[in-house]
Amino acid sequence: QVQLQESGPGLVKPSETLTLTCTVSGGSIRSHYWSWIRQPAGKGLEWIGRMYSSGSTDLNPSLKSRASMSVDMSKNQFYLKLTSVTAADTAVYYCVRWYAARGYDYWGQGTLVTVSS
Amino acid sequence: DIHLTQSPSSLSASVGDRVTLTCQASHDIYNYLNWYQQKPGHAPKFLISDASNLQTGVPSRFSGSGSGTNFTFSISSLQPEDVATYYCQQYDSFPHTFGPGTKVEIK
Repeated sequence: QVQLQESGPGLVKPSETLTLTCTVSGGSIRSHYWSWIRQPAGKGLEWIGRMYSSGSTDLNPSLKSRASMSVDMSKNQFYLKLTSVTAADTAVYYCVRWYAARGYDYWGQGTLVTVSS
Repeated sequence: DIHLTQSPSSLSASVGDRVTLTCQASHDIYNYLNWYQQKPGHAPKFLISDASNLQTGVPSRFSGSGSGTNFTFSISSLQPEDVATYYCQQYDSFPHTFGPGTKVEIK
């Protein structure tokens, strides 16, 4: 059973850079697509981007190039970096697997990130 | 971006009722549409792919249909454990987008 676990700072100051880690267990990160999706409190889901295990990415243009994703196959981890954060980036961030060109099948439990001074 | 609208935004129904939700896409997305269930305090759960394919382990009371721009999601006999928000999601093009959700409650 594949499991995903997000980790990172719960609090980030405005204008700083948010970095989140997703650790994948129960399966290899290799040969799959991995994504980040976020959800502000009481609101809907926003797709941040998708990355193949090779490192190629598709990112949401709405984030105006502030987002980047990377992978470390030796650690079975992938990462999200979001620069110049504002209060609008406050949300629960989920790391997720995109499976078989069909759907987001495995989700982490989510990690709340608050942007505040 | 492909915009998804869902209706109703919320509904209240009795246990055993048939419940139908709709999702409309701003452009033709063929059948590249998924449905997810999110219970309060939990991550979404993948229910249906390709508009109508029930994922393994998902109860058969859930179903989906549609293609192009109009899609429906149904629960044939609403159960207390189905209280959740249901989201549609398109993967015809990037960025992948989600609908705003339909909140389902028990009357």
